[in-house]
Order: sequence, then C-alpha cells, then structure tokens
Amino acid sequence: DAKTTQPNSMESNEEEPVHLPCNHSTISGTDYIHWYRQLPSQGPEYVIHGLTSNVNNRMASLAIAEDRKSSTLILHRATLRDAAVYYCILMGAGGTSYGKLTFGQGTILTVHP
Amino acid sequence: EAQVTQNPRYLITVTGKKLTVTCSQNMNHEYMSWYRQDPGLGLRQIYYSMNVEVTDKGDVPEGYKVSRKEKRNFPLILESPSPNQTSLYFCASSTQGANYEQYFGPGTRLTVT
Repeated sequence: DAKTTQPNSMESNEEEPVHLPCNHSTISGTDYIHWYRQLPSQGPEYVIHGLTSNVNNRMASLAIAEDRKSSTLILHRATLRDAAVYYCILMGAGGTSYGKLTFGQGTILTVHP
Repeated sequence: EAQVTQNPRYLITVTGKKLTVTCSQNMNHEYMSWYRQDPGLGLRQIYYSMNVEVTDKGDVPEGYKVSRKEKRNFPLILESPSPNQTSLYFCASSTQGANYEQYFGPGTRLTVT
C-alpha cells in the first residue's frame, strides 16, 4: 500500500505562510492526494485534495510535484486557528486500493502569535 | 445540517462483552468508513463500504465486524472486545470515489477493561 511521510512537527508565526511537505514516493497513478487536519478532541476535517494539478480553495493551496512523488500544503497566512495535526493521505481510486485510505503520521503545526 | 453522527460518544466496557458503535450520515453518501486512532500510530482504517451490502477490509480489520444494510448506517461491531481495542474511533462518509472529501464524525472513545 502506498504510504506517506511527513515531518513530525513544524512551527510558524501568525500571518506568515506555511508550507507543509509530504512524500509519497510509492503513489500509484490513480491515487488522489488528500489533506485533512485535526484539532484536539475533534474528528479530522477536510482541507484540500488533488490528483495531478495544483489546487486552490478558500482554506489552502496544494502543490503537487510533476512526478507526483511529493506534495506541499500551503497555508497562505497562518492563524492561531490553523494550529492542528495535518495529515497527508492517499486515496486509491482504482484496482485493489479503490476506497482504501492510508493515513500518514501527520505533522503537528504550532502557530505562534 | 449535513453531518455524520456516532453513538455512543464514550463507552467503558469489559472484555468479551459484545458492543456496537453506530454511525449514521444524512448526506446520501455511498462511501462510509471506520478508523481507529491510537497515540503514536495515527489514524488507521478498519473497514470501508463502497455502497449498500459492499464492505472491504482496511488495514486493521481483526476483531471487528461491520454491516451496511442501509445507505445511511454503518455500524461497527466488536463481538468480543479486548483491551487492545481501547481506542478513539471515527466514522466517515463521502460521495463515491476518491475525488471527494470525507466527512468525519465526532469520534467514539472506547475503553475496554
């Protein structure tokens, strides 16, 4: 199964951009890259996802490497409410991995005022 | 309000006493899934269901059963719980396919003594 690797923790200052990296060197051609975040005592919350092209939404941007072996979640201006654990996830869309979802260990993001 | 609900939210039980954790979604989603979250191990998928009467094993299915008789419900059954199933459990749902975000429930904290 395709796995993801993320740094254990990262720190940022409020109002500054944050780049959260994720390596997924064994990604298959049909795997979507999803990002979720989890605040303490809550269920994970969807942030963004993509397949090949870079994606933007109101929460963040997702930059996907050309070979798809890595991706970066970009929070353009971190706020204190962005402090959470961020998970990079591959979701299989074909073959035997269809529907199967593999979480990485997650990156603990600390945002300093 | 679109949501995934889980019951109970907290449960303390004893080894061997069968229990069921319910999960229900009101978004007419085809896909539903169960995860457990343990310190240091992150989120791991237990079972998932692509549609009614269709279920598949995730990464850690041992000791669990699921059923999907109706689209909106996806109960998790522990027929003979053991202490190593003490964990935080999350249910999630989404529109069919990897190109859609997953909505997570609030979690069920289970303690097996």
